[in-house]
Amino acid sequence: GDSVTQMEGPVTLSEEAFLTINCTYTATGYPSLFWYVQYPGEGLQLLLKATKADDKGSNKGFEATYRKETTSFHLEKGSVQVSDSAVYFCALSDGVNSGNTPLVFGKGTRLSVIA
Amino acid sequence: DAGVTQSPTHLIKTRGQHVTLRCSPISGHKSVSWYQQVLGQGPQFIFQYYEKEERGRGNFPDRFSARQFPNYSSELNVNALLLGDSALYLCASSFRDRGFSYNEQFFGPGTRLTVL
Repeated sequence: GDSVTQMEGPVTLSEEAFLTINCTYTATGYPSLFWYVQYPGEGLQLLLKATKADDKGSNKGFEATYRKETTSFHLEKGSVQVSDSAVYFCALSDGVNSGNTPLVFGKGTRLSVIA
Repeated sequence: DAGVTQSPTHLIKTRGQHVTLRCSPISGHKSVSWYQQVLGQGPQFIFQYYEKEERGRGNFPDRFSARQFPNYSSELNVNALLLGDSALYLCASSFRDRGFSYNEQFFGPGTRLTVL
């Protein structure tokens, strides 16, 4: 079945450091790919998405590019802030009608940014 | 506009008991999905409901059931609770149309269930 593998955390960075969180996927179809963020005590928020190969999703300084040849969707940010401390989940939605198929999540990567 | 709301926020039960969790979707959203997030893991899909009908089910035992009401709110029921059912239960709502565009799922804050 479909699956998502992301780098294990925790990841601890100093403020203004460069962030990369690796994510690779396995899917039988042509999935849409997502990054969700979960702040302490809150639900999941969609951070960015990409629906086809070579698409780049971006939001709040975060970026990820859909790489079909390497089945990857790595999350990057050039300069992290303390407020970026959270758990980040890579996810996919497979099927013809990706809007209505369930999300498959990775295990999450906890990011801590220190001042 | 209010986001997805869930109740209760926290719940403590003992093994063998039954629990009901509730979810109210964003106004105008007709699809509700339930996910289980065990500590240290990513959310796992349990159910999806649309227009009061089950449209998808994950790999969970029959002890788990759900329903959707005419106002599109939803309940998740779990019978004969086990220690392993301790988790954060997330509800997500989406508009859902018949097209092929992605309908973003908006998540609620979750219900933290502890089974002792």
